[in-house]
Amino acid sequence: DAGITQSPRHKVTETGTPVTLRCHQTENHRYMYWYRQDPGHGLRLIHYSYGVKDTDKGEVSDGYSVSRSKTEDFLLTLESATSSQTSVYFCATRLGITGSRDFGPGTRLTVT
Amino acid sequence: KNEVEQSPQNLTAQEGEFITINCSYSVGISALHWLQQHPGGGIVSLFMLSSGKKKHGRLIATINIQEKHSSLHITASHPRDSAVYICALNRDDKIIFGKGTRLHILP
Repeated sequence: DAGITQSPRHKVTETGTPVTLRCHQTENHRYMYWYRQDPGHGLRLIHYSYGVKDTDKGEVSDGYSVSRSKTEDFLLTLESATSSQTSVYFCATRLGITGSRDFGPGTRLTVT
Repeated sequence: KNEVEQSPQNLTAQEGEFITINCSYSVGISALHWLQQHPGGGIVSLFMLSSGKKKHGRLIATINIQEKHSSLHITASHPRDSAVYICALNRDDKIIFGKGTRLHILP
């Protein structure tokens, strides 16, 4: 267990408002990921980070930005939330060598 | 065509039954993961395997690299095994997730 927490765990927001989700890990894992999970789809990668200030886009990055100023924190920002971004968001980490991911508990975001 | 396909999509069985969930893929991989997600819950890694077979308690995972196929077996199934089981592929430092198999074990 990589000691991953996500905040908030649930959020309801209105279309057009900015939203920031936080992922915090205590295991000093180098790699961190943001995924979204929607019915009928597998988990889809939004953005990932391979170190402090080093980030890259995933397959569904439009409308999202990320920042990683410290090893332990990875922030996901929706600059102007849309209803299509209603989803469950999972953060994950990876130490480096094994390739297995440790997942956070998820954040359920509803955009009305 | 999806790179990873799971079958069945949904499975309901009686407590005690032997369960098999299949995962077929079409790309080269370095490893395959099986994950478990309980309703409303987080995601837990069950296995990561690149060849052969692994066992943990009542769970067994196998992989055939040549046939690009993996199976997850549950022996003596129990209602607490009810969850979504997800197959995921390690490919080029990324993970490709299947859509999951929803398993419901009836008492």
